[in-house]
Amino acid sequence: KNEVEQSPQNLTAQEGEFITINCSYSVGISALHWLQQHPGGGIVSLFMLSSGKKKHGRLIATINIQEKHSSLHITASHPRDSAVYICAVLYSGGGADGLTFGKGTHLIIQP
Amino acid sequence: EPEVTQTPSHQVTQMGQEVILRCVPISNHLYFYWYRQILGQKVEFLVSFYNNEISEKSEIFDDQFSVERPDGSNFTLKIRSTKLEDSAMYFCASSAYISRQVYGYTFGSGTRLTVV
Repeated sequence: KNEVEQSPQNLTAQEGEFITINCSYSVGISALHWLQQHPGGGIVSLFMLSSGKKKHGRLIATINIQEKHSSLHITASHPRDSAVYICAVLYSGGGADGLTFGKGTHLIIQP
Repeated sequence: EPEVTQTPSHQVTQMGQEVILRCVPISNHLYFYWYRQILGQKVEFLVSFYNNEISEKSEIFDDQFSVERPDGSNFTLKIRSTKLEDSAMYFCASSAYISRQVYGYTFGSGTRLTVV
């Protein structure tokens, strides 16, 4: 079964710390998404990657296709970054295939 | 910024009743999806829809589920006879697909379904 593994499951850090969340997957993909889910439940797309690196504000996402691994980094973390961060992959095959989700990383940034 | 709109935000229904969850995808997107998230669990794919037909469905999407695009804007998920285990947050999503690449994957804010 094609699984998406995230680590750590839970992460508590102090405001200002550099945060790294990891994601690994088992077979070839056409794209990888990093998503954010707040306690209210809504899902916001942060990045979609198929290679290399993307940056948006304090967020950086990287992917290594050969190693089947991606990381999400948050620089100068802030309490408002507290949320569940989810990695989801689109396995190679077609445009309308569904995403396969990881279990998420529950991030808490303390002031 | 374009949004995917879902209604209602909360729905409580009795076991055995039919429910219809509604979604308005982003207007120039052609691919539509339903996902569900049982409380405390990961998000799971249910079904994708393109060109007025189901493109892919998961094992979860059995005969009690159906999807429809009744007009040019709405995309609906129907659960015919709800069970307690159907209680979950249901997310609609839409995307574009250009030159074999997915673009603009956007999720709605979800419908929380509670079956009692």
